[in-house]
Amino acid sequence: DTGVSQNPRHKITKRGQNVTFRCDPISEHNRLYWYRQTLGQGPEFLTYFQNEAQLEKSRLLSDRFSAERPKGSFSTLEIQRTEQGDSAMYLCASSLGRTTYEQYFGPGTRLTVT
Amino acid sequence: AQSVAQPEDQVNVAEGNPLTVKCTYSVSGNPYLFWYVQYPNRGLQFLLKYITGDNLVKGSYGFEAEFNKSQTSFHLKKPSALVSDSALYFCAVFAGTASKLTFGTGTRLQVTL
Repeated sequence: DTGVSQNPRHKITKRGQNVTFRCDPISEHNRLYWYRQTLGQGPEFLTYFQNEAQLEKSRLLSDRFSAERPKGSFSTLEIQRTEQGDSAMYLCASSLGRTTYEQYFGPGTRLTVT
Repeated sequence: AQSVAQPEDQVNVAEGNPLTVKCTYSVSGNPYLFWYVQYPNRGLQFLLKYITGDNLVKGSYGFEAEFNKSQTSFHLKKPSALVSDSALYFCAVFAGTASKLTFGTGTRLQVTL
């Protein structure tokens, strides 16, 4: 399968714990995006990388959230000191660049904070 | 700021009938518009896009969408609905130099026999 992959698919954690999610984009895509989707809502933008550079962050991304893309390939999203309000589906997407605009999404990681 | 509105939470249609899922947008500058579909427990799948050119764009699975600049709309259409089209549909806009997609709240399409 050459699509976007995300791991784990599901994560249950207790409030206050740290969690880390991984995203592997489509191999030739240099742009990578993280979104968050809560029940009944559309995905909301969190952050964006072009190669290894993090170029944009949403105000939704509090200081408890950090994302990296160290070698311009896979990316990780870490949430520190999780809160119940962090429970959501975290979606990763990738795109080829400025000449094509569509983003291709992974299956998501569903986070439940108890 | 860019925004997308999907005025219908749910659209019900009988199999074989035409379907329309509505979307209106608000952006500064030229809009780049997209439709995605989401099946249960799966990520979003790209259906089609409007960047420039012909106002009627065709996409995957027989779907098409019509861009109307004066009405700031980008409605999704299909001439003959299938039960397997039942899913959650999202309209999104990517405006100008921004790098992110702004999504609507989604419309659930229910196609019945």
